[in-house]
Amino acid sequence: NAGVTQTPKFRVLKTGQSMTLLCAQDMNHEYMYWYRQDPGMGLRLIHYSVGEGTTAKGEVPDGYNVSRLKKQNFLLGLESAAPSQTSVYFCASSYEEGIHEQYFGPGTRLTVT
Amino acid sequence: AQTVTQSQPEMSVQEAETVTLSCTYDTSENNYYLFWYKQPPSRQMILVIRQEAYKQQNATENRFSVNFQKAAKSFSLKISDSQLGDTAMYFCAFWGGTSGSRLTFGEGTQLTVNP
Repeated sequence: NAGVTQTPKFRVLKTGQSMTLLCAQDMNHEYMYWYRQDPGMGLRLIHYSVGEGTTAKGEVPDGYNVSRLKKQNFLLGLESAAPSQTSVYFCASSYEEGIHEQYFGPGTRLTVT
Repeated sequence: AQTVTQSQPEMSVQEAETVTLSCTYDTSENNYYLFWYKQPPSRQMILVIRQEAYKQQNATENRFSVNFQKAAKSFSLKISDSQLGDTAMYFCAFWGGTSGSRLTFGEGTQLTVNP
């Protein structure tokens, strides 16, 4: 049981390049989330999904897109990376929302130069 | 909108001593949940403790306990018998029924346990 995994762990992009971050969970969780973590700001929700085939915007969705084609996978895409997107990205999943614990992946450190 | 505030960016404590991390929040909701997450240097976010707002009894998990003051909107974390492995960033988080699926996090408190 691997829990929540994220690929890649580190990435450096040039401004304007695109990339996709992959999140996978093997706990059969319905809910999945993408957060970004910036110094002094805690974690902020980018997008989330309440089930296969669904996505919704979080607090800071601009510049990102997501897809949930399979229940176990949640992809985060950056179409045209900007230096402001330099951050650590965390994926999380939960059985249900809120009262149930969110399980986090190990994070992806992304630098955009 | 909910806000969560952690007013102590950094704290330190000697091994085996007790330390309390502060968290305040602002909400108009009556039913909600509060969490403390730990993020060690490995970056992995780990749930430490959870409190349901409708429960008057403070939650406890081994050396970790909370002081939940609903009227004051305060949710502090007490760590007893601090261990070196407790060194981490600690985040307070809020979830309320009308906030959608969003956990609102505080800014974090970096705790260092000194030998």
